[in-house]
Amino acid sequence: GAVVSQHPSRVICKSGTSVKIECRSLDFQATTMFWYRQFPKQSLMLMATSNEGSKATYEQGVEKDKFLINHASLTLSTLTVTSAHPEDSSFYICSAPNIGGSSNQPQHFGDGTRLSIL
Amino acid sequence: AQKITQTQPGMFVQEKEAVTLDCTYDTSDQSYGLFWYKQPSSGEMIFLIYQGSYDEQNATEGRYSLNFQKARKSANLVISASQLGDSAMYFCAMREGKSGGTSYGKLTFGQGTILTVHP
Repeated sequence: GAVVSQHPSRVICKSGTSVKIECRSLDFQATTMFWYRQFPKQSLMLMATSNEGSKATYEQGVEKDKFLINHASLTLSTLTVTSAHPEDSSFYICSAPNIGGSSNQPQHFGDGTRLSIL
Repeated sequence: AQKITQTQPGMFVQEKEAVTLDCTYDTSDQSYGLFWYKQPSSGEMIFLIYQGSYDEQNATEGRYSLNFQKARKSANLVISASQLGDSAMYFCAMREGKSGGTSYGKLTFGQGTILTVHP
C-alpha cells in the first residue's frame, strides 16, 4: 500500500542550528502534504499545508519564517526549522492525503521526527 | 470550525475486558468523516477505524467498533478483549473538506486518551 517516508526519525542538535525534515510519498503523488507538531502527551496540531508548486498555507500562530516549507516535487515536502531553540523541541509528523485510494483512510502518516534542541 | 473533544485524559482496563473511549464532535458540515488512530510510544500514527457521516451502520474492524450516534454527535471507540499491546494513546479525528479539494485529508484531532491495559 501507499507509504510516506519521513526522515530523519530523530535529531539532537545545538541551539541556533537549522534542521531540515523530509517527507516523501513513496508510491503515489502528493500535491498536498500536511505538517503537524505534537508536544508530549498532547494532540497533533496542524502547522501548515504544503502545496506543490505554490506557497504553503500556515495555520494561525505558526511563524512562516521559523518553519520554512518547500514542496519541491510531487513526492517530496520539506520542513526546515530555522535557528532552532529549545522551545522548538517537539515531535513533528507529516502526512499526505490518500487521494484516489480508499476513502476510509484519509491520509498516510510518516513515522515522525523527534527534534531535541540543546 | 470543526472541533473534536475527548474528555478522558487516561483510561485503565483489565486485559481481556472491553473499553470505550469517548469522542464528541462539532461541525456544520453535512458530509464528514470520523477516524480513530492509535499512537504507541514510538510515535507512529496507526489508523484503526473510519465512520462516514452518511454511514447508517456502525463501523467495525476486528476488535474495534465505532459507536456512532449522529444526533448526539458522538463517535466512541469500543475495543473488545483488550490486549497488553493496546496500551497507547488514542486519537479521535475529523476529516475536513471534500475529495479533490486542496484541504482534503486535513484532520482535526481531539486531545487524546492514554489507554493502559493491566495484566
